[in-house]
Amino acid sequence: GAGVSQTPSNKVTEKGKYVELRCDPISGHTALYWYRQSLGQGPEFLIYFQGTGAADDSGLPNDRFFAVRPEGSVSTLKIQRTERGDSAVYLCASSLMAGGLYEQYFGPGTRLTVT
Amino acid sequence: SQQGEEDPQALSIQEGENATMNCSYKTSINNLQWYRQNSGRGLVHLILIRSNEREKHSGRLRVTLDTSKKSSSLLITASRAADTASYFCATDKYGQAGTALIFGKGTTLSVSS
Repeated sequence: GAGVSQTPSNKVTEKGKYVELRCDPISGHTALYWYRQSLGQGPEFLIYFQGTGAADDSGLPNDRFFAVRPEGSVSTLKIQRTERGDSAVYLCASSLMAGGLYEQYFGPGTRLTVT
Repeated sequence: SQQGEEDPQALSIQEGENATMNCSYKTSINNLQWYRQNSGRGLVHLILIRSNEREKHSGRLRVTLDTSKKSSSLLITASRAADTASYFCATDKYGQAGTALIFGKGTTLSVSS
């Protein structure tokens, strides 16, 4: 079956611009996670959703970052007034549900470059 | 912040040799997971070991867990060129299963033929 998909695969934007990154989870998965990975580092947690609500957004670095999942499926990560330090690979993962030993399935990521 | 720290940072071996990677973590855990990441397939789940387990096997993979030392090891036996990748350990945030994962910095494994 289809895995987690993310669009775009690459995004280059200028400093100060607004960007949206999209994640399509595996059908039927209720939990959705966003991570950010910088070069040479492991993925760093940003936010996760159980259904439509953000269950934990403690990883969002500041108020320029926001994510939504209005219908409990597709999620969009939004970054306002981008900075060069936001450049990273943004990974999305989904699992059957949160709160249990369910494997997280990762998408291929969106590589964001802020110039 | 990173929970786990993998050791070594980089490892180069020949095909057929065994590769051992270690992970240390800081807080109590519910379970520990190992992931592999390469450019072709992204981040892939390998194996999960619960906090009350000491050893687990999956094919050529063997994972051990020592909660008293807050450490885990991943052994890949009879390595292949296709095992070339970065390997990460991950634990549940807050020590609660199914919450966000906290990853280490990873071990980069290179297997040459």
